[in-house]
Amino acid sequence: GAGVSQSPRYKVAKRGQDVALRCDPISGHVSLFWYQQALGQGPEFLTYFQNEAQLDKSGLPSDRFFAERPEGSVSTLKIQRTQQEDSAVYLCASSPTGSPHEQYFGPGTRLTVT
Amino acid sequence: SQQGEEDPQALSIQEGENATMNCSYKTSINNLQWYRQNSGRGLVHLILIRSNEREKHSGRLRVTLDTSKKSSSLLITASRAADTASYFCATAVNYQLIWGAGTKLIIKP
Repeated sequence: GAGVSQSPRYKVAKRGQDVALRCDPISGHVSLFWYQQALGQGPEFLTYFQNEAQLDKSGLPSDRFFAERPEGSVSTLKIQRTQQEDSAVYLCASSPTGSPHEQYFGPGTRLTVT
Repeated sequence: SQQGEEDPQALSIQEGENATMNCSYKTSINNLQWYRQNSGRGLVHLILIRSNEREKHSGRLRVTLDTSKKSSSLLITASRAADTASYFCATAVNYQLIWGAGTKLIIKP
């Protein structure tokens, strides 16, 4: 079946622009996670949804970052007034349960802020 | 924040050789997972080892866990070109997966 998809795959933004990154999880998956991965590093947790409820947003680096999952399926990560340090790969993962142990990852969106 | 570190940071071996990479972590865990990441397939879950297990096998993969040293190792036997990738360990803290910085493995033909 279809896996987790993300769009766009690549995004170039000028500093100060707003961006929106989309994640389509596997159908029926309850949980959705967003991660930020800097070049040469492991992913870092940003936020977690169980259905439409955002249960943990402790990893969001600043109030410029906002995530939503209004109907409990598709999720959008929005970054306002992008900065160069926001350049990274943004990964989305979904899980059929609330467990972090069984996550299926999308291909990521590579964001470059110039 | 990163949970710990993998070592080595990079490893280059000949096809057919075995590859061993290590991971250290900081907190108490219920389990530890290993993932592979390459440009073609993204992040893929390889294996999960529980805190009460010392060793686990899956195909050409062997994972060990030493909770007293807060460390784990991943052994890939009879390496293939397709094993070229970055390998990460991850542990769960509540809903979060906390990741190491990864080992970049290159298999030379």
